[in-house]
Amino acid sequence: AQTVTQSQPEMSVQEAETVTLSCTYDTSESDYYLFWYKQPPSRQMILVIRQEAYKQQNATENRFSVNFQKAAKSFSLKISDSQLGDAAMYFCAYTGQGAQKLVFGQGTRLTINP
Amino acid sequence: DTGVSQDPRHKITKRGQNVTFRCDPISEHNRLYWYRQTLGQGPEFLTYFQNEAQLEKSRLLSDRFSAERPKGSFSTLEIQRTEQGDSAMYLCASSLSTGGPSGQFFGPGTRLTVL
Repeated sequence: AQTVTQSQPEMSVQEAETVTLSCTYDTSESDYYLFWYKQPPSRQMILVIRQEAYKQQNATENRFSVNFQKAAKSFSLKISDSQLGDAAMYFCAYTGQGAQKLVFGQGTRLTINP
Repeated sequence: DTGVSQDPRHKITKRGQNVTFRCDPISEHNRLYWYRQTLGQGPEFLTYFQNEAQLEKSRLLSDRFSAERPKGSFSTLEIQRTEQGDSAMYLCASSLSTGGPSGQFFGPGTRLTVL
């Protein structure tokens, strides 16, 4: 079974600085998809960024980018120029090629210090 | 707004009662998913539908849980004889099955408290 591990329960960063959230996963599949979701306090889950495993190029979405290391099964999220609105729980998630259920990590709570 | 909606947003019930939750997906999405999230944890998959067919159920989905999507549009999740351990946030998500996974889009969730 696939597993996703986020080893940082909490992270904090100063506003305008850069922070990297870690995620590792375990799978025997060669084709799959990885996601980062953001869940602000008492608000719904929002898709931040996604990465197809067959693409070597790292995905970017404005201030959000990933470092995808397929051999190491690592998928970290970098947030540049952190803003107060970035404060949230961040979840790393995996789905297989059939694009069915998502397997989530335990989450990382990100605090932005003004 | 045409996002995923869930009703009710909050439900408090006594142990042993039955509860039913509703999810309305994004209209063009043919896949619908149910997840359960306990405090401080990531969501756990419960079940999913493609159109009206229920294609996978997690072992977490005991016999007390049943889900339906009768016309391939909205879905209901029913919990019979609720237990305190059922207290959680129940999340619904929807997606397209074609064109690669663009990601699942989540609703605001239904928070269940079993007293």
